[in-house]
Amino acid sequence: GNSVTQMEGPVTLSEEAFLTINCTYTATGYPSLFWYVQYPGEGLQLLLKATKADDKGSNKGFEATYRKETTSFHLEKGSVQVSDSAVYFCALSVRNDYKLSFGAGTTVTVRA
Amino acid sequence: EAQVTQNPRYLITVTGKKLTVTCSQNMNHEYMSWYRQDPGLGLRQIYYSMNVEVTDKGDVPEGYKVSRKEKRNFPLILESPSPNQTSLYFCASRAGQPYNSPLHFGNGTRLTVT
Repeated sequence: GNSVTQMEGPVTLSEEAFLTINCTYTATGYPSLFWYVQYPGEGLQLLLKATKADDKGSNKGFEATYRKETTSFHLEKGSVQVSDSAVYFCALSVRNDYKLSFGAGTTVTVRA
Repeated sequence: EAQVTQNPRYLITVTGKKLTVTCSQNMNHEYMSWYRQDPGLGLRQIYYSMNVEVTDKGDVPEGYKVSRKEKRNFPLILESPSPNQTSLYFCASRAGQPYNSPLHFGNGTRLTVT
């Protein structure tokens, strides 16, 4: 089946630090990969996505590259801000499978 | 504004008392889905719907019902809630095609069953 494994949190960083959240996947077929972000008290919203190998998704200073050889989609940001404090979810979808499979989520707290 | 609206945001109830959580979207999306979020488990799909009158079970459907009589609405029904259904619930929608269209989420309903 399809599954996503992401690094456990919580992660606490100082402002302007470098952030990496690891995500690896198992999928039958050729998945599309996503990162969603959940700010406190809100629903999830799409942060970025990649639909084929070697694609790089980017948004709000975050980046992730679809690595088929390592089945990974790690999220990175070079200089975090307090406003990046949130829960981050890695997810995948596969054609003809009508759901998005989510990782467990990683809570990130950025201190001023 | 494009949005998914869930109500209520917070709900406290007792075991066995039937309840409904409403979900409505204004984007004319074909696909709608319910998830529950529990610590350490991420989001797990309860039910989904590909279009009006077309629904199917997700990973954790036991104890839940849904209906899709209109395209915009997808209510979640708990006929006899139990404490293990205490959770944070999210409704989401997306366009039917392509399959990798992004999901749009509501702001969640925090349910407590005592």
